[in-house]
Amino acid sequence: AQKITQTQPGMFVQEKEAVTLDCTYDTSDPSYGLFWYKQPSSGEMIFLIYQGSYDQQNATEGRYSLNFQKARKSANLVISASQLGDSAMYFCAMREGEAGRRALTFGSGTRLQVQP
Amino acid sequence: DVKVTQSSRYLVKRTGEKVFLECVQDMDHENMFWYRQDPGLGLRLIYFSYDVKMKEKGDIPEGYSVSREKKERFSLILESASTNQTSMYLCASRSRSRSGANVLTFGAGSRLTVL
Repeated sequence: AQKITQTQPGMFVQEKEAVTLDCTYDTSDPSYGLFWYKQPSSGEMIFLIYQGSYDQQNATEGRYSLNFQKARKSANLVISASQLGDSAMYFCAMREGEAGRRALTFGSGTRLQVQP
Repeated sequence: DVKVTQSSRYLVKRTGEKVFLECVQDMDHENMFWYRQDPGLGLRLIYFSYDVKMKEKGDIPEGYSVSREKKERFSLILESASTNQTSMYLCASRSRSRSGANVLTFGAGSRLTVL
């Protein structure tokens, strides 16, 4: 079974509107972390936001927020007030267990295009 | 800021050649990772290392090996390149974000084409 599922291969959004990118995950470990990364056309992966499984509040970083619904095992990224520079690939990722030596498992990504 | 540098941005190699992809980080991090990225498949873990001379296989290690002789350098080796290894290769090291989370910081990637 897929550990991270991103069901939207591509999304369009108008500039200044909000957009939600979906991510569901699968783990039986009670301790885990969820991440979102942005990959512009230049190719570099940029860390956006992190949510720990024990965090009580949804994570926010500027225009990015993570809608964490633990019972549904979803960790959707919300981008408010989209900008043209937000056009990129977005990857959801998960770390199972404590950080230590653990790697991240990534989803297949969502390509977001912001239209003027 | 943490810097992860991959020595080659673009490489073109022939089938059967030995290929070295180099990655260097400047923050004395213990954990380093090699992923490959293919359209529709996201990033898949090839190998990672949690200390000098220590390594662990990821999800797709076949056809690859790694070397970590010094803490700052983690090399990915394709002993005999094949066309199905044409891909984008991303190196990362574990660091802390401004908010204190353990995150992966990535290099710019190495796009390898095997003819």
